[in-house]
Amino acid sequence: GAVVSQHPSWVICKSGTSVKIECRSLDFQATTMFWYRQFPKQSLMLMATSNEGSKATYEQGVEKDKFLINHASLTLSTLTVTSAHPEDSSFYICSSTLAERYNEQFFGPGTRLTVL
Amino acid sequence: GQNIDQPTEMTATEGAIVQINCTYQTSGFNGLFWYQQHAGEAPTFLSYNVLDGLEEKGRFSSFLSRSKGYSYLLLKELQMKDSASYLCAVKAAGNKLTFGGGTRVLVKP
Repeated sequence: GAVVSQHPSWVICKSGTSVKIECRSLDFQATTMFWYRQFPKQSLMLMATSNEGSKATYEQGVEKDKFLINHASLTLSTLTVTSAHPEDSSFYICSSTLAERYNEQFFGPGTRLTVL
Repeated sequence: GQNIDQPTEMTATEGAIVQINCTYQTSGFNGLFWYQQHAGEAPTFLSYNVLDGLEEKGRFSSFLSRSKGYSYLLLKELQMKDSASYLCAVKAAGNKLTFGGGTRVLVKP
């Protein structure tokens, strides 16, 4: 149980385009999902907390108009990187918690974004 | 603010023991997690400590001292497949996790 999937696993796009990344909880309902960004050889940095049916909570320094988060159902959250630039190239990982397991976070497999 | 420190890299020999230390200063504490992450993959859960003491799970053990803001992950009988990054993460307010920089462990034959 507690499987989280992401799609796509990798994407290459041109500068200025928008990219949508999906995060799905496959066998449980996720009222809360988290979005992280990880640059090479660095740790995970929390970008935002996504709550089903309400606005996401962004961490300091993360532009909410650039990283659009939608959590319209209990099993799906999406992150859209708008007007992507090469500096947005990174590994994006989502996670969700399972209350009955002390809120352990289960991570998706990640999405590698490369902006040319 | 949140500050979590762990060594950047460690090297050990197959079959040996390695201890990865993590010190933290956070506003609030609701538990400490250790995750393993292989390159290009998502982190996988290793351990969770919320009370002081040692938690043992097979070849991996994790220790916590809340008064010292200190934890360590102990890897015994190292195998080549244990070469990975090990992430220390603290749950402070709510369910948010703050991660340390990660420790890359290289296991040599």
